[in-house]
Amino acid sequence: AQSVTQPDIHITVSEGASLELRCNYSYGATPYLFWYVQSPGQGLQLLLKYFSGDTLVQGIKGFEAEFKRSQSSFNLRKPSVHWSDAAEYFCAVGAKDQGAQKLVFGQGTRLTINP
Amino acid sequence: NAGVTQTPKFRVLKTGQSMTLLCAQDMNHEYMYWYRQDPGMGLRLIHYSVGEGTTAKGEVPDGYNVSRLKKQNFLLGLESAAPSQTSVYFCASKWPYTEAFFGQGTRLTVV
Repeated sequence: AQSVTQPDIHITVSEGASLELRCNYSYGATPYLFWYVQSPGQGLQLLLKYFSGDTLVQGIKGFEAEFKRSQSSFNLRKPSVHWSDAAEYFCAVGAKDQGAQKLVFGQGTRLTINP
Repeated sequence: NAGVTQTPKFRVLKTGQSMTLLCAQDMNHEYMYWYRQDPGMGLRLIHYSVGEGTTAKGEVPDGYNVSRLKKQNFLLGLESAAPSQTSVYFCASKWPYTEAFFGQGTRLTVV
């Protein structure tokens, strides 16, 4: 069974600084990987996804993530954060050989932006 | 095109009461899910369905039942609500091999 760990519960960065949110997954085969963002009181919105091919994927709002099979990681990055990026971020993994029937989510990382 | 719609958005129940949460999607998705979100625990899968008439247990199914009589609807039932079921509930739907689309959530408080 797959699992996801997001080691950082809460991160604070200054506006304009770079950002990296960590995600480690456990799955024996090739996974489908996702990053979602949740603003307060809202549902989850997809930022980006990795299914196959180029291991560096681009998403919305200037985010990118890199799949590193050797490290079982799918870290999310942004070169310069904006105050509107304050939200909770979730990494998720799906089993590719099952059509990603079940998405397993990490515990989430809450991002605070200092002005 | 509404996407995934959850009803109701807020509800307060007394311990022992029952209720049903409704999820409706208009994207003709095969798969549908119910998650609960609790602080520090991320989203945990309660039940899911891979097609009309099918359901399966997720990570935390106890105390909940589900039904998928129509492809576009996925119902989550609480037969006898407990304070431990106070949570935010999210419904999601998807095609195989794609990302999931989420509803806006239902905030449930059991007193």
